[in-house]
Formats: sequence, structure tokens, C-alpha cells
Amino acid sequence: EAQVTQNPRYLITVTGKKLTVTCSQNMNHEYMSWYRQDPGLGLRQIYYSMNVEVTDKGDVPEGYKVSRKEKRNFPLILESPSPNQTSLYFCASSEKLTGTGELFFGEGSRLTVL
Amino acid sequence: GEDVEQSLFLSVREGDSSVINCTYTDSSSTYLYWYKQEPGAGLQLLTYIFSNMDMKQDQRLTVLLNKKDKHLSLRIADTQTGDSAIYFCAEDGNTGKLIFGQGTTLQVKP
Repeated sequence: EAQVTQNPRYLITVTGKKLTVTCSQNMNHEYMSWYRQDPGLGLRQIYYSMNVEVTDKGDVPEGYKVSRKEKRNFPLILESPSPNQTSLYFCASSEKLTGTGELFFGEGSRLTVL
Repeated sequence: GEDVEQSLFLSVREGDSSVINCTYTDSSSTYLYWYKQEPGAGLQLLTYIFSNMDMKQDQRLTVLLNKKDKHLSLRIADTQTGDSAIYFCAEDGNTGKLIFGQGTTLQVKP
């Protein structure tokens, strides 16, 4: 089954404790992206990757890091989480960036930073 | 810059039609999309429209595009309780990246 898998789905952590949210897709997609969803703000892009070893900042990259060492994986790293990073995070992938390339989303990771 | 605006909430009765509206700023958008997010899940592509089209119909869904006013709408005929979700409008803009609106929560009352 084609899917984007994120882990963990739920996490409560404390300020400053490094964490990683993993994302894996099994569709051989080149494009992957991380978003955060906050009430009233919709989806905002954090980072994206056009291919292996190619990553770029989205609209809200501060406080986050990513890596793309393999095509299927695109982890999101919070080196020193802060309460304003409490949010619902989505990983997404697509075959191509533009046109009718559908974005496939993971089920989301709800992060709370105390 | 690129911006996509939606109203945040819409409530309808089961069996009525729902119309969700969206405005966007980037006239160079090639495709405009509607994504649906059900509770506790990620977004799923519902439908899309090419920018040189005025209308696209797919079963109960009708997408209308007014390119002059940069206005996009999604009409759901015979709305069912299973249609309750958050609906996101998105454009691909001049960077090719998808820009999402804030999402419209559709509440369907029995």
C-alpha cells in the first residue's frame, strides 16, 4: 500500500530536549516536504527536498533541521525544542513538484513542548 | 507575496449544498487544488483544476474558477455527514510549491 509513515504520532517533551520525527515513503517519490499545522494559520511549509542530498528552507524553517540521505526518508530534527514549536506536523511526498503531482500526506505527528 | 485566503467555518444541514470559497493572489498559478482533511488524518487530494478552465465537475463536487477575480470555489451537492472535514484550497504559484489556505471546517448537521 502506498503510504507516508510518520513517527511518533504523539509526543510530549520538554524545552531543550532534542527530538527527531521520522518520515518514510514507499512510493519512490523525489519530492518530500514538512509542514506544520496551527489553528487559523493553515499549513506552513518548514523544509522541503527535491531529491537526495537536496534540501531547501520553506516559510518557517527556524528551529528545525532536516536531512535527505536516502530517497525514502526525510527526518525532521528539533535540536532544542521550544513551546512555540508545539504543533501538528505533517510529512508529505509527491512524484513531482508541479502540475498534477498529488501530494501524499502522512497521518501527522502531534508534538507538545512543555 | 503569494497568499491564499479562506473562511474558517461553514455549517450546513445534511442534504443541502455546501459552497466553500477561496481567494488567491498569484495569477501565475497553473493548477489550483482542493484537499480534504478528515479528523485525525492527513490531507488527501480531493480535486484540482487547471487554470485555463472555468469549471470542473466530478460526481457531487463542482469546482468553479474565476481567474479574473482570483476566486475559487468548491461546491458539494447533497452534503452528507461524512463530508464533515477541513477543506484546504491550494495554489502552485510561481515557485511551483503549493501554498495552502487556512482551511475551512465544514460541519454537517443531521
